[in-house]
Amino acid sequence: GAVVSQHPSWVICKSGTSVKIECRSLDFQATTMFWYRQFPKQSLMLMATSNEGSKATYEQGVEKDKFLINHASLTLSTLTVTSAHPEDSSFYICSATTSGGSPSPYTDTQYFGPGTRLTVL
Amino acid sequence: KQEVTQIPAALSVPEGENLVLNCSFTDSAIYNLQWFRQDPGKGLTSLLLIQSSQREQTSGRLNASLDKSSGRSTLYIAASQPGDSATYLCAVIRFSGGYQKVTFGTGTKLQVIP
Repeated sequence: GAVVSQHPSWVICKSGTSVKIECRSLDFQATTMFWYRQFPKQSLMLMATSNEGSKATYEQGVEKDKFLINHASLTLSTLTVTSAHPEDSSFYICSATTSGGSPSPYTDTQYFGPGTRLTVL
Repeated sequence: KQEVTQIPAALSVPEGENLVLNCSFTDSAIYNLQWFRQDPGKGLTSLLLIQSSQREQTSGRLNASLDKSSGRSTLYIAASQPGDSATYLCAVIRFSGGYQKVTFGTGTKLQVIP
C-alpha cells in the first residue's frame, strides 16, 4: 500500500531556531501534499496544500512566512518552521495524494504520515 | 464553512461491548468521509473510507455508515477489545478550488476496560 514517511519523528529545539520537517511518499508519486497541525487535545487543522513545483496554498490564519513549504519533487515536501517559538510546539502531520485536480475514486485517497512532534523550549 | 462534530467526546466501555461512535457534518456536499484512529502521540491510522455514493463500508469488526442527506456518519465497533482504546476521528473530504479539503472532527476518545 501507499506509505508516507516523516522525518524527524520528534524534535526539540531552542526558541528562535528554524526546524525542517520532511514528508516523503515512499512508493507513489504525490502530486499534492498537505500539512496539518494538531495542538494537544484538539483535532487536526489543515495548514497548507502544496503541489509539486508550485507555491503552497495556505489556510486562513497560517503565516506563510513562518511556515515555509517546499514541494520540490513528486516524492518530497518539506515544512520549515522559521524562528520557532514555544507556541509553535505541536504535532505536525503530512499527507499525500496522487490527485490534486478532478475527483477520482481510485487515486484521490490521502495517505497520512506518522507525524512529527515539535517541542520548542 | 464545514464543521464536523463527534459525539461523545469520550467513552468508556467494558471489553466485549458493541459501541457506536457518531459524526455529524454541516455541509452535505462532501466527496468522501473517512474514519481514523489515533493512538497517543502517534499519527493517523485509516480505518474506513466511504465514498459519497456509498452508504456503508465494513472491515472486520468495524462498520461505518454514511447518510449524506442528514449529515451523519456512524462507526460501529463490534465486540470491543482493550486494543481498540484510542481516539477515533472522522474526516470529511470535499473539493475546493481543485484541491482536496479535509475537515477533521473533534474526536472521540475510547477506552475499553478489560
